Amino acid sequence: GAVVSQHPSWVICKSGTSVKIECRSLDFQATTMFWYRQFPKQSLMLMATSNEGSKATYEQGVEKDKFLINHASLTLSTLTVTSAHPEDSSFYICSARTDGGYTFGSGTRLTVV
Amino acid sequence: AQSVTQLGSHVSVSEGALVLLRCNYSSSVPPYLFWYVQYPNQGLQLLLKYTTGATLVKGINGFEAEFKKSETSFHLTKPSAHMSDAAEYFCAVSDGNNQGGKLIFGQGTELSVKP
Repeated sequence: GAVVSQHPSWVICKSGTSVKIECRSLDFQATTMFWYRQFPKQSLMLMATSNEGSKATYEQGVEKDKFLINHASLTLSTLTVTSAHPEDSSFYICSARTDGGYTFGSGTRLTVV
Repeated sequence: AQSVTQLGSHVSVSEGALVLLRCNYSSSVPPYLFWYVQYPNQGLQLLLKYTTGATLVKGINGFEAEFKKSETSFHLTKPSAHMSDAAEYFCAVSDGNNQGGKLIFGQGTELSVKP
């Protein structure tokens, strides 16, 4: 089945630094990738939709300059959290559309100290 | 616009008892409906989905759900709960290919299973 590999699974960074999260589709081409964030005990909130070769579409209230999304190839999409602050600490999950629906990465736990 | 409402943020059942997790949706187009399970600090695993066709959908681990258009519901059931079913469950709706096919999640229901 379709697999999305997400790395890193967890990361701790200092406030003010940037962090990059990668999602790779291993055995299929991911034309569309979705990025979600999830706070503890809460649901997944869609941040943005990225399509290969074009600019990402951000949901209302999501700062596009803070959460940079790149989808330069059909197998790789990245989310960069720029100038991270403690309030950016969260669980980030990517998801790719497939013929059967959606496949999710295993998530990245970001802690900003 | 689409939305999903899961009734009950926390459900507790005894091992062997019926599991019923409720989900109601709102969609202006024929919906695609999904149930996912999430274990702590992990991604989401698909339990089952409805796109078209038969309204009673069977999934993994003994779960099933029935799409009821008249009630705009897609409740998840399992006849007999197992300890390993304890997890967070999310109902989600998509509009297929319209609006980019975004997947919108409900608030989630935490299932506890008592021995």
